[in-house]
Amino acid sequence: KAGVTQTPRYLIKTRGQQVTLSCSPISGHRSVSWYQQTPGQGLQFLFEYFSETQRNKGNFPGRFSGRQFSNSRSEMNVSTLELGDSALYLCASTLAGAVGETQYFGPGTRLLVL
Amino acid sequence: QKEVEQDPGPLSVPEGAIVSLNCTYSNSAFQYFMWYRQYSRKGPELLMYTYSSGNKEDGRFTAQVDKSSKYISLFIRDSQPSDSATYLCAMNRLTGGGNKLTFGTGTQLKVEL
Repeated sequence: KAGVTQTPRYLIKTRGQQVTLSCSPISGHRSVSWYQQTPGQGLQFLFEYFSETQRNKGNFPGRFSGRQFSNSRSEMNVSTLELGDSALYLCASTLAGAVGETQYFGPGTRLLVL
Repeated sequence: QKEVEQDPGPLSVPEGAIVSLNCTYSNSAFQYFMWYRQYSRKGPELLMYTYSSGNKEDGRFTAQVDKSSKYISLFIRDSQPSDSATYLCAMNRLTGGGNKLTFGTGTQLKVEL
């Protein structure tokens, strides 16, 4: 069974631009969560989608948004990029998003903002 | 203050050593405790998962949870160079947290020959 895939793997943008990242969950998984990983803050929860609905949201500004499609694939968008948005963006999928379910992570998209 | 605290290391040990990795937490609502391993340029992978206080063993790995002290540990016996990675503790609430995991910042481990 294929794992979680994320595209692109690497991205370089400049301040003020916007970016869209994509995540394809494991086949059959309906819940997708997004995390931001930085050296100083570690992994921080961005949001979770289940059946095309945002079910949970972390403490990030409104510049960070996401969506989920009917095939469970998810995208996250960051508008008006800032230098501090440079990070590894990880998505994770679970079967039904129930508490205690194992979250399977993708390899991440490394974003560099210049 | 962060909800989950973890010593970032780096921690360097000789091959064959017993490694002890720890996290403390402040939110008593956390009921699920996990340890993830992350190799360079990869996403985290789940190593161990515990729900209650006590010990859980899986091969060379033992996870320990002490809810009264809000302290969790991961022990690695007979450490190997292939264990060199960043180890992340993660926690979740029983209710109200959805699928949101709260992570420690990770401990970088290097096992040397």
